[in-house]
Amino acid sequence: EAGVTQSPTHLIKTRGQQATLRCSPISGHTSVYWYQQALGLGLQFLLWYDEGEERNRGNFPPRFSGRQFPNYSSELNVNALELEDSALYLCASSLTLGTGVAWGYTFGSGTRLTVV
Amino acid sequence: SQELEQSPQSLIVQEGKNLTINCTSSKTLYGLYWYKQKYGEGLIFLMMLQKGGEEKSHEKITAKLDEKKQQSSLHITASQPSHAGIYLCGANYGQNFVFGPGTRLSALP
Repeated sequence: EAGVTQSPTHLIKTRGQQATLRCSPISGHTSVYWYQQALGLGLQFLLWYDEGEERNRGNFPPRFSGRQFPNYSSELNVNALELEDSALYLCASSLTLGTGVAWGYTFGSGTRLTVV
Repeated sequence: SQELEQSPQSLIVQEGKNLTINCTSSKTLYGLYWYKQKYGEGLIFLMMLQKGGEEKSHEKITAKLDEKKQQSSLHITASQPSHAGIYLCGANYGQNFVFGPGTRLSALP
């Protein structure tokens, strides 16, 4: 069974540009989570999508946005890139049970975004 | 305050020695996950514990979840240089998934 796949593996952009990162969840998973890990920092929660809707958002500016498609894959868009946006962006997927509990939480290998 | 705490923050262990990393939750967990991250790389899933008192092992790594489901330990036996990295515990709290701050393990030859 394929795991969570992210693309591209690496992305280099210049300041002010837009970056689009993609994530395909494990088959059957309806939730996608996005995290940022900047150099030397812990994981920071960005966004949670479930059944096509944004369910929760971390403490990031509005230029970080995303969406989830009908097939449950997801995009993370970062507009007006700044140097400090350089980081490893991780996507995870899970089932979200009726009780709201995330199950089968699995991470992708990440996209390394470098802003120059 | 942090919902998940890990100790120690960092650890330097000589090759062949045993070590333990602890993860403590302020609330009862639905599930406790252990991950390893090598610097700058994605997360590698190690183990998931669900039931109170559960213990799982893989190769030289053993993880336990206490009966109250609020504390977990990760034990590495006879550490090797390949064990070096950052170990993260993560937990379900209903709709939210949170990570601990991580424990950085450095292995000395």
